Amino acid sequence: DQQVKQNSPSLSVQEGRISILNCDYTNSMFDYFLWYKKYPAEGPTFLISISSIKDKNEDGRFTVFLNKSAKHLSLHIVPSQPGDSAVYFCAASAPGYALNFGKGTSLLVTP
Amino acid sequence: ETGVTQSPTHLIKTRGQQVTLRCSSQSGHNTVSWYQQALGQGPQFIFQYYREEENGRGNFPPRFSGLQFPNYSSELNVNALELDDSALYLCASSPERGDTDTQYFGPGTRLTVL
Repeated sequence: DQQVKQNSPSLSVQEGRISILNCDYTNSMFDYFLWYKKYPAEGPTFLISISSIKDKNEDGRFTVFLNKSAKHLSLHIVPSQPGDSAVYFCAASAPGYALNFGKGTSLLVTP
Repeated sequence: ETGVTQSPTHLIKTRGQQVTLRCSSQSGHNTVSWYQQALGQGPQFIFQYYREEENGRGNFPPRFSGLQFPNYSSELNVNALELDDSALYLCASSPERGDTDTQYFGPGTRLTVL
């Protein structure tokens, strides 16, 4: 039962453009959402998070938007850089429960 | 400050065997979580250890067991290996249980069961 869904397995974007990665969830108890980035042969690295009391959180080139009514969040990367090429995982948690991860979206930023 | 390390990097076992995977947590972290990442899937929570006690478990059978030592390093043991146990096993340490932003992952152990 996949409670966190990333429906796009891959995304290709030109350098300098915006990358938008999407994530949907089904569990209304989720109140904390995170994005992780993973390079080959490395563990996932925390990128940015958002609490359910907010609808936007920004950190440099990365912004996460949360639409609770639609149970949808998105990660925007502006401008995209070749070094951003990686697999991005969306994760969510409910209070006292472990993280639920999506299957990931592989982002390729081309020069 | 050393990061999270895992050993071995790769491992090949046969069905029915037992395996032990190891994780050294980041300095100052007392909580370790283990995840299984099957091919094409996201990490799936196995269990968490906080100060040497199990502190939550995912939907994994009892043949998946763990330990945490006084220095907060940890082991994941899997008995009676099955083909579906082939996956990347990730451990993550954090300063306190419930800390997700400050959860640091190791590079993982790739287990192949033949």
